[in-house]
Amino acid sequence: DIVLTQSPDTLSLSPGERATLSCRASQRGTSTYLAWYQQKPGQAPRLLIYGASTRATGIPDRFSGSGSGTDFTLSISRLEPEDFAVYYCQLFGNSALTFGGGTKVEIK
Amino acid sequence: QVHLVQSGAELKKPGASVKLSCKASGYTFTNHHIHWVRQAPGKSLEWMGWVNGGNGATQYSQNFQDRVTMTRDVSARTAYMELSSLRSGDTAVYFCARRGLAASSEGYYYYYLDVWGKGTTVTVSS
Repeated sequence: DIVLTQSPDTLSLSPGERATLSCRASQRGTSTYLAWYQQKPGQAPRLLIYGASTRATGIPDRFSGSGSGTDFTLSISRLEPEDFAVYYCQLFGNSALTFGGGTKVEIK
Repeated sequence: QVHLVQSGAELKKPGASVKLSCKASGYTFTNHHIHWVRQAPGKSLEWMGWVNGGNGATQYSQNFQDRVTMTRDVSARTAYMELSSLRSGDTAVYFCARRGLAASSEGYYYYYLDVWGKGTTVTVSS
């Protein structure tokens, strides 16, 4: 099965700053099946990005995704107070679905 | 509006089984898979498997292959996940999620989990 490694574990930033989150796959996957989710404490994950770069319905344009092959990136152009949360990448494989370990974006 | 409503919290003893439900509304139930994902306290998300809302086919994670059963009742628009031989390490929040799909202009499909239930807390303790 493909393993997804997210980095960094924690990102300490101030509101208004840019956040760049990385997700690396252990083997080449299909970018059409790469998604990003946001999760706040006590809540279910929320879909942000699918197909590596397409924003889900209602997601602000400060969120963007990029990448292909084994390296994917989620960027948040200007952090808003509500963006401080944990972010997960996820990949649909042939026989399994995999999540990364998550990156926590915290207020500096 | 599309919703997934999950059953209430469960407290189970080691060795017991638990069966959780996930009731769908606002979309054609048979057109989508329902996935189950769990999250132990302070941990990442762990995929368990899916059930096809249409034909009931399933696919399970190898980590749960011998202990999990996923089913669905089309008339009730409800998916179920049963986990047996519970142990303390199964203490977690269990989420159901709908697999969405969209067609690209190039003719392939995007897959993603676009609607999530609020989760069911399962506690395994003697």
